[in-house]
Amino acid sequence: GQQVMQIPQYQHVQEGEDFTTYCNSSTTLSNIQWYKQRPGGHPVFLIQLVKSGEVKKQKRLTFQFGEAKKNSSLHITATQTTDVGTYFCAGPRITGGGNKLTFGTGTQLKVEL
Amino acid sequence: NAGVTQTPKFRVLKTGQSMTLLCAQDMNHEYMYWYRQDPGMGLRLIHYSVGEGTTAKGEVPDGYNVSRLKKQNFLLGLESAAPSQTSVYFCASSMTSPPGELFFGEGSRLTVL
Repeated sequence: GQQVMQIPQYQHVQEGEDFTTYCNSSTTLSNIQWYKQRPGGHPVFLIQLVKSGEVKKQKRLTFQFGEAKKNSSLHITATQTTDVGTYFCAGPRITGGGNKLTFGTGTQLKVEL
Repeated sequence: NAGVTQTPKFRVLKTGQSMTLLCAQDMNHEYMYWYRQDPGMGLRLIHYSVGEGTTAKGEVPDGYNVSRLKKQNFLLGLESAAPSQTSVYFCASSMTSPPGELFFGEGSRLTVL
């Protein structure tokens, strides 16, 4: 079945350093979404990418969707302690089961002062 | 602004006991989902519903049943709880399919002894 993998699983950075998490799907995705989950909290939607090669920015966060629509990345510039949490990518199946989102395994980010 | 509400938030069960988790959304969303979250495994879809009176199996449906008698409610049942069902359960809803933005509840932490 469809698998969505994320690397790295964990990342510790010093405040002010950059951070990137990568998402890879075994199948082509019609779109990809990114969520953030703070420790002890629930996932919160960040953004959705639809077009091949699309790049979107939200302040210090930059999201990219690969040309083949099978991979994506989230880059955070100059991390802050408020960035702490787990970042998940998620994508619907492009053939069948289109009502479902498959989540990646997540990347847990810790930011140290 | 209630959004998605889950009850109960915490529950401890003994092996073999049954229970029901309730999810209620006030956004008039057609699509509702139950996920479980375990360390290192991301979010895995248990069951989902594409509208009132409909349910379908997700990735890990065994040991769970669901019902969607009313559009705003999605119930997740465990008929005979097992320790392997110890997890954090998240309900989510979305307006569109393929799933657009998912709105998550705050989660229900279930421990099966």
